[in-house]
Amino acid sequence: AQSVTQLDSHVSVSEGALVLLRCNYSSSVPPYLFWYVQYPNQGLQLLLKYTSAATLVKGINGFEAEFKKSETSFHLTKPSAHMSDAAEYFCVVGGSPFPRGAQKLVFGQGTRLTINP
Amino acid sequence: SQTIHQWPATLVQPVGSPLSLECTVEGTSNPNLYWYRQAAGRGLQLLFYSVGIGQISSEVPQNLSASRPQDRQFILSSKKLLLSDSGFYLCAWSPRGTEAFFGQGTRLTVV
Repeated sequence: AQSVTQLDSHVSVSEGALVLLRCNYSSSVPPYLFWYVQYPNQGLQLLLKYTSAATLVKGINGFEAEFKKSETSFHLTKPSAHMSDAAEYFCVVGGSPFPRGAQKLVFGQGTRLTINP
Repeated sequence: SQTIHQWPATLVQPVGSPLSLECTVEGTSNPNLYWYRQAAGRGLQLLFYSVGIGQISSEVPQNLSASRPQDRQFILSSKKLLLSDSGFYLCAWSPRGTEAFFGQGTRLTVV
């Protein structure tokens, strides 16, 4: 079974400050891990993914995440926040497929990121 | 490149009316297709997934159904909407394994 916990429902930072969104996962199989971003009333956009290659994963818009197996964590960071980063962020775990190969993705509850001017 | 189209973007329907939401994918063949629902302030709940034409699996019992009449077309339906069916519905596709790619969503309000 797989699960994911986003440790903060809401994070608020100042423009230019470090962004840290925390995610812990549980998986009985080697996981695939993803971060998605959702702007208001829009679909989800893939920020980055970890699929057992490099543990430090770089994504779009200056975001990156580090896979730490010992801590079962996959925290998302960005060195300097921009106003356009305000959105909802979802940590997602996959890798335990449904029968016949469909990907089973388990979503966290989301973290709302607010950027203060 | 692959694209996913979902429509309509917004929909207001009375209780008891039927529903049909459509999703199509371009630029790929034999994708896995998914319907998710996102209730206000909550995460995503997987409703249905499909690995091929006519093959539908339901994750949760509910008032909705799904169909896949063509390889790249996925339809979400209801015969009679309930107030509790209100939400943001997202269609997604994935290649075999790894990540999913989402449409822009449909905001459904049942009144």
